[in-house]
Amino acid sequence: SQTIHQWPATLVQPVGSPLSLECTVEGTSNPNLYWYRQAAGRGLQLLFYSVGIGQISSEVPQNLSASRPQDRQFILSSKKLLLSDSGFYLCAWEGGMRTDTQYFGPGTRLTVL
Amino acid sequence: DAKTTQPNSMESNEEEPVHLPCNHSTISGTDYIHWYRQLPSQGPEYVIHGLTSNVNNRMASLAIAEDRKSSTLILHRATWRDAAVYYCINSGGGADGLTFGKGTHLIIQP
Repeated sequence: SQTIHQWPATLVQPVGSPLSLECTVEGTSNPNLYWYRQAAGRGLQLLFYSVGIGQISSEVPQNLSASRPQDRQFILSSKKLLLSDSGFYLCAWEGGMRTDTQYFGPGTRLTVL
Repeated sequence: DAKTTQPNSMESNEEEPVHLPCNHSTISGTDYIHWYRQLPSQGPEYVIHGLTSNVNNRMASLAIAEDRKSSTLILHRATWRDAAVYYCINSGGGADGLTFGKGTHLIIQP
């Protein structure tokens, strides 16, 4: 069966510090991968998606970046965090078929102070 | 993805059926109707999806209007474990992710 992992579960970082969040998927190959963010009391916002290794599409211009160094690994990064980067970061995968559902990881709750 | 409209919140009593409505008047002919739910402090969880016909699974039923401009998610016997935000999403199946609205906050009264 497929599983999706995210770490860390919670993170408190000072403004201006770097960020690296990791997401890995097991039990599937060549998945589409996604990063979403949910600010407090808000809906989910798609940040990045990837259909293959090294292929990244950005939905929202900001100081975040994403990379996909391996088929089942998706990394969200920032060189300098802003207060507005606080939120609940969710990674998701889908199999790429038209009717496929997305499966979400447990999320990382990031607080920037 | 087509825009969907859902009530901000609904209340129901435990062990009673819940009907969660969704309007999607601009849905395209090839868009699927997906429902996800998000429990507190967790990522969204897939509930059900359909195209034209009504669908049933172990979690819920999905009733789709004949003109596909609206749908209803039916929880047959809601419990406190079903208290969550329910999202109705229309998706054409592209790789470019899902568009989540504000959803419906379902409150279950004991």
